[in-house]
Amino acid sequence: GQSLEQPSEVTAVEGAIVQINCTYQTSGFYGLSWYQQHDGGAPTFLSYNALDGLEETGRFSSFLSRSDSYGYLLLQELQMKDSASYFCAVRGTGNTPLVFGKGTRLSVIA
Amino acid sequence: DGGITQSPKYLFRKEGQNVTLSCEQNLNHDAMYWYRQDPGQGLRLIYYSQIVNDFQKGDIAEGYSVSREKKESFPLTVTSAQKNPTAFYLCASSVSRNTEAFFGQGTRLTVV
Repeated sequence: GQSLEQPSEVTAVEGAIVQINCTYQTSGFYGLSWYQQHDGGAPTFLSYNALDGLEETGRFSSFLSRSDSYGYLLLQELQMKDSASYFCAVRGTGNTPLVFGKGTRLSVIA
Repeated sequence: DGGITQSPKYLFRKEGQNVTLSCEQNLNHDAMYWYRQDPGQGLRLIYYSQIVNDFQKGDIAEGYSVSREKKESFPLTVTSAQKNPTAFYLCASSVSRNTEAFFGQGTRLTVV
């Protein structure tokens, strides 16, 4: 099966940098992705890693180490609007579904 | 505009009644998913479908049923057998074997 672990809550100061970690277990590996969800809304796709290394998209970056079954989402220059829940998700190979972690609630404070 | 639509946004039902949640996409995606989200919780997979006329159970399929008669549509029925159906239900679609999923706006089901 597939499972993911990520911290339940993180608090950071506006303008700072925060890292949200994710470890996973999966039968085969196709990719790790990250989603953002504001309260009451639907998750929206942020980034995707299939290969080891860092992917950068504006203020957000995502890192993957397949040998460690580990990834992280890095948010820079934090803004109040970044307060949301962040989910990592993994897909294994074959006919496996997209499975999500329990999410990390990020609170950005002034 | 391409997208994925869930309806209704809010739904109230009496205990013991079956209810069907609609999910339609015009993104030409093969894969579709149903997730359940409880307050402060993650997304738990109910059912998924990678192709028309085929679907698989997720982690919490008991008390739910689905159909996939058309590529665009993946309705979810919450049956009376589901012991705690009040939750936020999210439908998603993706290109097969892709980790970028597009979500509908969700249906908040309340059973009284």
